[in-house]
Amino acid sequence: SQTIHQWPATLVQPVGSPLSLECTVEGTSNPNLYWYRQAAGRGLQLLFYSVGIGQISSEVPQNLSASRPQDRQFILSSKKLLLSDSGFYLCAWSKGATEAFFGQGTRLTVV
Amino acid sequence: AQTVTQSQPEMSVQEAETVTLSCTYDTSENNYYLFWYKQPPSRQMILVIRQEAYKQQNATENRFSVNFQKAAKSFSLKISDSQLGDTAMYFCAFIPPRDDKIIFGKGTRLHILP
Repeated sequence: SQTIHQWPATLVQPVGSPLSLECTVEGTSNPNLYWYRQAAGRGLQLLFYSVGIGQISSEVPQNLSASRPQDRQFILSSKKLLLSDSGFYLCAWSKGATEAFFGQGTRLTVV
Repeated sequence: AQTVTQSQPEMSVQEAETVTLSCTYDTSENNYYLFWYKQPPSRQMILVIRQEAYKQQNATENRFSVNFQKAAKSFSLKISDSQLGDTAMYFCAFIPPRDDKIIFGKGTRLHILP
């Protein structure tokens, strides 16, 4: 069965520190992968998506970057976090436009 | 541009009542999938129901059903016999077949009142 793992679940980081959030998918190959951010009580903002290894599309220019070093691994990074990077980050995957599956999310607080 | 619009930011209904959440979308595609996702306070995204555009029959999953009007590009979610556990944010979503993005509406926050 297909599963998606996202970690860590909660993270508190100081301003200016680096960030690395990881997402891995099991049970499928060559999925489309996505990173979303959600502010408290708000909708989902698409940050990055990837259709293959090394292929990253950025939706919103900001302090974050994404990488896909392996087919089923998607990483969200920052070199120096800002207060405005706080939020809830969701990883997702889809294949064939028929369904999307989500990780459990990471609650990031930048202090 | 392909978009999804949820016009009800927030709704409240009494337990056991029926509630309908609205969703409209815009696309030039003919075959696609539409979804409703539930996000409870835990913030886990849970698929509630899925509709294939080429199927005229409305999808149903227990107390959840949709009213899919393809010509009107409308995809509303009906929750029957609402329960306290239905309290959540609900997102309408759409995956265009020739695009690579999952397009979400802004969500409807639903409160089920005891």
